This record gives sequence, structure tokens and C-alpha cells, in this order.
Amino acid sequence: GAGVSQSPSNKVTEKGKDVELRCDPISGHTALYWYRQRLGQGLEFLIYFQGNSAPDKSGLPSDRFSAERTGESVSTLTIQRTQQEDSAVYLCASSLVRDPRSYNSPLHFGNGTRLTVT
Amino acid sequence: QQQVKQSPQSLIVQKGGISIINCAYENTAFDYFPWYQQFPGKGPALLIAIRPDVSEKKEGRFTISFNKSAKQFSLHIMDSQPGDSATYFCAASIGGYQKVTFGIGTKLQVIP
Repeated sequence: GAGVSQSPSNKVTEKGKDVELRCDPISGHTALYWYRQRLGQGLEFLIYFQGNSAPDKSGLPSDRFSAERTGESVSTLTIQRTQQEDSAVYLCASSLVRDPRSYNSPLHFGNGTRLTVT
Repeated sequence: QQQVKQSPQSLIVQKGGISIINCAYENTAFDYFPWYQQFPGKGPALLIAIRPDVSEKKEGRFTISFNKSAKQFSLHIMDSQPGDSATYFCAASIGGYQKVTFGIGTKLQVIP
């Protein structure tokens, strides 16, 4: 079946513009995550959705960042008034979490959106 | 604050050799430790994972060793192959909560 799909794959924007990044998770996956990967850095957690609620938004760097999810489907990460330090690969992942106590729900990542702010 | 520390950041190994990547964690509430493999232009993919009630887990050429008292775990790749060249991330999470905290990554290059 289809994996996690992210669009666009690449986005170049001017400083100060708003951008929207889209993630289509694997069908039936209840949990959805956004991570940021800066060049030469690890994966930085941004936000986690269980269904369409976000129990953990602790990783969002500033109020310029927001995310929403429609049901257990598509999610959109919005960055307002982009800055050069926002340049990174934004990765989305989904997992099948029937039971929050379950450990064996690996994250399935998309290939990311490479955002470049000029 | 880096909750999962990973080393080395880069590693070059000869084909057929053993690749070893080490990770250490501080939060004793972590109870699930996966490793992810990432090829250029792709998202990370789960390679192997361990829970702290076992000290070792092996899947093919990949082995995780876990030392709970030292709060350390490591990935060993036996008989390393050029196709293993990728970036490897160790990670940790807390059962009942799926937030996964990643290490900084190790770029492995296996040379023929």
C-alpha cells in the first residue's frame, strides 16, 4: 500500500512569506508526527497528533508555526513569516496506535519537504 | 537539552568490518529504543528496536546491545556492506506516549 506522502517535495520561498506543508499519512494510522531536520542535525520533534487532537505541541519553535489535522487524515504544517533559520527538511511520520500502551508501533516517515528560505 | 546522545557523528568502515554506533540517554522513563536508517533523500525507516527488559537483540547482521544500569545502548553492524552506507539514528520513547526523541545521527560510509 501507499506510504506517507508529503508535498511539495521542495519549496523555495522568500523571507517573510507564509508556507504550507502537507502530509498524507498511511490510511488507518491514528498518530501523526512532524519533525524538522536541519542540515547535519538530528530529528527535532515539532508536534504530535492522536486523531485530530494535538496532545503535544511542545516542539513548535515559535508562534509562527502551527499545524492542524483533519480527522485521522491529512495534516498541514503552516509557517508564517518565514525566516532563514526555518530552512530545513520537514518530515512527517504516522503510526498505528491502537493502544497508547503499545510499544510496537514504528514511525513510518515520508520523504520530507525541503524548505529553503531565501 | 539533548536527551539522547549519539556517537560518533561519522564513521568509515571497510567492507566486511564491524560498524559500532553508541548512544546514551538520561531519562530513566524511556522504555523503548528503536534505531532508524536513513538514505539520502528519503525519510528514516525503522531498522531494529529493543525494550529494556532484554540486553541484546539480533536481526540478521544488526544487533542492539543494551546496558540499563549504564543507560547506554549500541548498534553493531556485522560484515558491513557498501549498501549499509546511510545515516543511522538511535532514538528513545516512553511507553504510553509515542513521542520519539532522536539522537543526532551517525553517517556511516562502508568502503569496498
